[in-house]
Amino acid sequence: KAGVTQTPRYLIKTRGQQVTLSCSPISGHRSVSWYQQTPGQGLQFLFEYFSETQRNKGNFPGRFSGRQFSNSRSEMNVSTLELGDSALYLCASSLVASGGGGEQFFGPGTRLTVL
Amino acid sequence: GENVEQHPSTLSVQEGDSAVIKCTYSDSASNYFPWYKQELGKRPQLIIDIRSNVGEKKDQRIAVTLNKTAKHFSLHITETQPEDSAVYFCAASKEGGADGLTFGKGTHLIIQP
Repeated sequence: KAGVTQTPRYLIKTRGQQVTLSCSPISGHRSVSWYQQTPGQGLQFLFEYFSETQRNKGNFPGRFSGRQFSNSRSEMNVSTLELGDSALYLCASSLVASGGGGEQFFGPGTRLTVL
Repeated sequence: GENVEQHPSTLSVQEGDSAVIKCTYSDSASNYFPWYKQELGKRPQLIIDIRSNVGEKKDQRIAVTLNKTAKHFSLHITETQPEDSAVYFCAASKEGGADGLTFGKGTHLIIQP
């Protein structure tokens, strides 16, 4: 079974631009969660989508948004990029919603650098 | 929301010795506690998890213990090997919750030859 994939793997953007990241979950998984990983803050929850619905959102500004398609693929968008948005963005897929205690399988991440 | 504290941030042990990483959580309703291992440049991978109806779980050299009363859980690695060198993250979530996993800040485990 193919693992979680993320595209692109690397991105370089400038302040003020916007970016869209993509995540394809493991086949059959309906839950996709997004996390931001930085050296200072560690892994922080952004949001989770389950069956095309956003279940909740972490403590991030409205510039961070996402969506999920009927095939469970998910996209994350960041508008008006700031230097502090530079991070590794990880998505994780799971058979069940995060509150169900199911294992989350992580993708390789997208490394975003904002100049 | 949930808050997970993890200690130590760096742990250096001699090959063959044991390593212990500790985490505390704040939300007594949390009931699922996974541990992830992240090697340099790679994705986090689940190594073991425990649910609140169990006090201890083992898988070969790895074990996790949970104390619900004190709201803390620990990862124990015995007979450490060079390939155990990585960053380890603890996390917590609750059944029916929608906040995803709340992670600790990570422990960089260094195995000295």
